[in-house]
Amino acid sequence: DADVTQTPRNRITKTGKRIMLECSQTKGHDRMYWYRQDPGLGLRLIYYSFDVKDINKGEISDGYSVSRQAQAKFSLSLESAIPNQTALYFCATRGPSTDTQYFGPGTRLTVL
Amino acid sequence: DQQVKQNSPSLSVQEGRISILNCDYTNSMFDYFLWYKKYPAEGPTFLISISSIKDKNEDGRFTVFLNKSAKHLSLHIVPSQPGDSAVYFCAASAETSGSRLTFGEGTQLTVNP
Repeated sequence: DADVTQTPRNRITKTGKRIMLECSQTKGHDRMYWYRQDPGLGLRLIYYSFDVKDINKGEISDGYSVSRQAQAKFSLSLESAIPNQTALYFCATRGPSTDTQYFGPGTRLTVL
Repeated sequence: DQQVKQNSPSLSVQEGRISILNCDYTNSMFDYFLWYKKYPAEGPTFLISISSIKDKNEDGRFTVFLNKSAKHLSLHIVPSQPGDSAVYFCAASAETSGSRLTFGEGTQLTVNP
């Protein structure tokens, strides 16, 4: 079984719709991250959380919000989706004694 | 500003030869560097890392070299195999920024049989 799972894997939505992307992990890590990947830009950090009560903005948080429901779950929401939020979205986790992050399989989001 | 740059969007090598992927960074506070490999429709997977106190780290066919004075790191794959064909991302972190990872743009490596 995968350690970091993301749902849905693919989603097509319309401009203005609210959408939630979910991430779950079984690694027991406290730290969780949301990134987006756009062609030619690598991965950019949206939000990150060091524990359930600690949420931090990344470099491109505008238009997004997050919820850390439990140690194992970290959700990303687009309150009102717009076409330039079309991208690949990755969730990642990190343990306490390493800088290595472990990624989920990604969600391909298309906003029409 | 792009603090981590991979200037080659793509690289093509023959099976059995060496692949060298390069990465440059500008932030002198970075103290840990990682390489990730990404296949289509999958998330990035960790490949190898290096701390700023070292200048080389080796793991099987993969070796990462760090030149702090030049703010440059490279990943060597020897010998290259067709299964190594993927996008490779360089990433860096600084303890002073909570160890957040900053990624480069990625390099598409193609290993031809």
